[in-house]
Amino acid sequence: DAKTTQPPSMDCAEGRAANLPCNHSTISGNEYVYWYRQIHSQGPQYIIHGLKNNETNEMASLIITEDRKSSTLILPHATLRDTAVYYCIVRPHAAAGNKLTFGGGTRVLVKP
Amino acid sequence: DGGITQSPKYLFRKEGQNVTLSCEQNLNHDAMYWYRQDPGQGLRLIYYSQIVNDFQKGDIAEGYSVSREKKESFPLTVTSAQKNPTAFYLCASSISVSGTEAFFGQGTRLTVV
Repeated sequence: DAKTTQPPSMDCAEGRAANLPCNHSTISGNEYVYWYRQIHSQGPQYIIHGLKNNETNEMASLIITEDRKSSTLILPHATLRDTAVYYCIVRPHAAAGNKLTFGGGTRVLVKP
Repeated sequence: DGGITQSPKYLFRKEGQNVTLSCEQNLNHDAMYWYRQDPGQGLRLIYYSQIVNDFQKGDIAEGYSVSREKKESFPLTVTSAQKNPTAFYLCASSISVSGTEAFFGQGTRLTVV
């Protein structure tokens, strides 16, 4: 499984965009990039995923570099409720199973 | 409401006792998973099941056991062989092993004294 590298923590001002980087330099051609977040003492929540095109939904945008070795999750207008640990995950090819292996994530603190 | 339910939210057990954590989903999902989370750490996969009557070991299966007799249920037993059982346990499900997103329960915090 491709590993991911994320900064351990970052702060963000309320109302501003939060840009969360993820490095996945060993990603293979058929692996997707997934983002989840975990608010303290709760189960993780799915945010978004992508293969090679940029993706956007009601929660966030995902920008994947052309070489697919890194990606950025963008929370366009961070609120205090976005304070959480954000996990970037590379998912194995479907035939190999969907193990969803989590790393340490980025602890995001949104400040007023 | 559809969802995934873990019970209880908090569980206390004496050292040396086996304990079973419940996980039930009514999402009609084929795949189910168990993760363990220690303070300040990420999630580590214990076991996963792709379909009824089938399950595979994850990265840290030693000291744990599971069963998948029904599609909606995937109980996890923490045995006395698990050296450090105190942790936060999370159950998840997805429509299949190739499902695009996993849905998580709210977790069970197990404390062994």
